[in-house]
Amino acid sequence: GESVGLHLPTLSVQEGDNSIINCAYSNSASDYFIWYKQESGKGPQFIIDIRSNMDKRQGQRVTVLLNKTVKHLSLQIAATQPGDSAVYFCAENEGNTPLVFGKGTRLSVIA
Amino acid sequence: EPEVTQTPSHQVTQMGQEVILRCVPISNHLYFYWYRQILGQKVEFLVSFYNNEISEKSEIFDDQFSVERPDGSNFTLKIRSTKLEDSAMYFCASSESGGNQPQHFGDGTRLSIL
Repeated sequence: GESVGLHLPTLSVQEGDNSIINCAYSNSASDYFIWYKQESGKGPQFIIDIRSNMDKRQGQRVTVLLNKTVKHLSLQIAATQPGDSAVYFCAENEGNTPLVFGKGTRLSVIA
Repeated sequence: EPEVTQTPSHQVTQMGQEVILRCVPISNHLYFYWYRQILGQKVEFLVSFYNNEISEKSEIFDDQFSVERPDGSNFTLKIRSTKLEDSAMYFCASSESGGNQPQHFGDGTRLSIL
C-alpha cells in the first residue's frame, strides 16, 4: 500500500549547524504534509505543515520544502540547538484520509 | 496554549481485562483521533471521530476497540479484552477540522499488558 518513509534513521549535527531531515512519500495524490517532533516520553508535537499547492513554507527556524515531482519532503532546521534533539516524523494524507506517518529520524545535536 | 490531555500516563493491566484510556481534546476542535505507537515503531492510525460517530477506522481497530464521547469534553478509547500485543503508547489527537489541518497530540498513555 501507499506509505511514507524516511531516508535516514539517525542524524548527528553540531550545535549551530543547519539540519536537513528528508522524507519520501509514495502517494502522488497526497495533498497535505506535516512534520512532527517527538521528544522522549512525549507525544508528537506539530512543527510545520505544507499543502501540495506550495513548494516551500517557513516557520521560526524551520523550513519545509516539497518536491512533488520526485515525491520528496524535507525539513530544514537553522542553527540547530540541543533542544532540537528528538525524533522527527513526516506524515501525509490525501483529503480527509488518516495521516500516514513515516518511521522517524532521530536527530542528535552535539554540543 | 491549549493542549490535548490524556490520562492515565501509564496503565498496567492483566491480559483479558478491559481498559479505558481517556482524553480531553482541545476545546474548539471538532475532529478526534486515536493512534498507537508500538515501541520503536511508527505511529499508526486507529480511528477518527466526528459529529459523535466514527468517520474512519483502520484494520487494527477491530471489535475489541470502541470509542466514545460521553460528554462535551472527554473522548475515550476502550479495549474490551486486552491482549499482550495491545501493549503500546496510545495517543489521542484533535484538529479544528478534517483534511488539511494539523492534528495536535497528547503525551499519550503507555499501556502495558501483563
